[in-house]
Amino acid sequence: KAGVTQTPRYLIKTRGQQVTLSCSPISGHRSVSWYQQTPGQGLQFLFEYFSETQRNKGNFPGRFSGRQFSNSRSEMNVSTLELGDSALYLCASSGQAGHFNSPLHFGNGTRLTVT
Amino acid sequence: KQEVTQIPAALSVPEGENLVLNCSFTDSAIYNLQWFRQDPGKGLTSLLLIQSSQREQTSGRLNASLDKSSGRSTLYIAASQPGDSATYLCAVTPDYKLSFGAGTTVTVRA
Repeated sequence: KAGVTQTPRYLIKTRGQQVTLSCSPISGHRSVSWYQQTPGQGLQFLFEYFSETQRNKGNFPGRFSGRQFSNSRSEMNVSTLELGDSALYLCASSGQAGHFNSPLHFGNGTRLTVT
Repeated sequence: KQEVTQIPAALSVPEGENLVLNCSFTDSAIYNLQWFRQDPGKGLTSLLLIQSSQREQTSGRLNASLDKSSGRSTLYIAASQPGDSATYLCAVTPDYKLSFGAGTTVTVRA
């Protein structure tokens, strides 16, 4: 079974630009969640999608948005990039929504650098 | 707001020694607690998931305990190997979100 695939692996953008990251979950998984990892703040929850609906959102500004398609693939968009958005962005898939009963499976992340 | 703390931040042990990693959380109203492993530059690998009604989970050399009332979980790794070198993170689910600790970076010396 293929794992969670995130593309691209690395990305360099300039302040003010926007970026779109992609995540393909494990086949059959309908829940996709996104996380930001930085040395200063650690791992922080961004949002979760289940069956094309955003179920939950973390404490991030509206510049961070996402969506999920009917095949469960998900995209995350960050507009008007700031230097502080430089981070490793991870997505995870799960067979169930809400992180309750089934383990999360993570991709290897997209490393975003904002200059 | 749920705060998750992992102490120590780093740990170095000789091969063969047992590892004890600690995780504490401030709000005991959690649905579950998960332990993950992260290798440098990689995503997280789920190690153990403990439901709030459970006291412990075991998988091979790994054993994790959960004491909700005291807000603590401990991950034991028996007979450590160099391949166990990684950062170990715990995360709790107080609602529909995950709250992570900062992790403990483990180095197992051959």
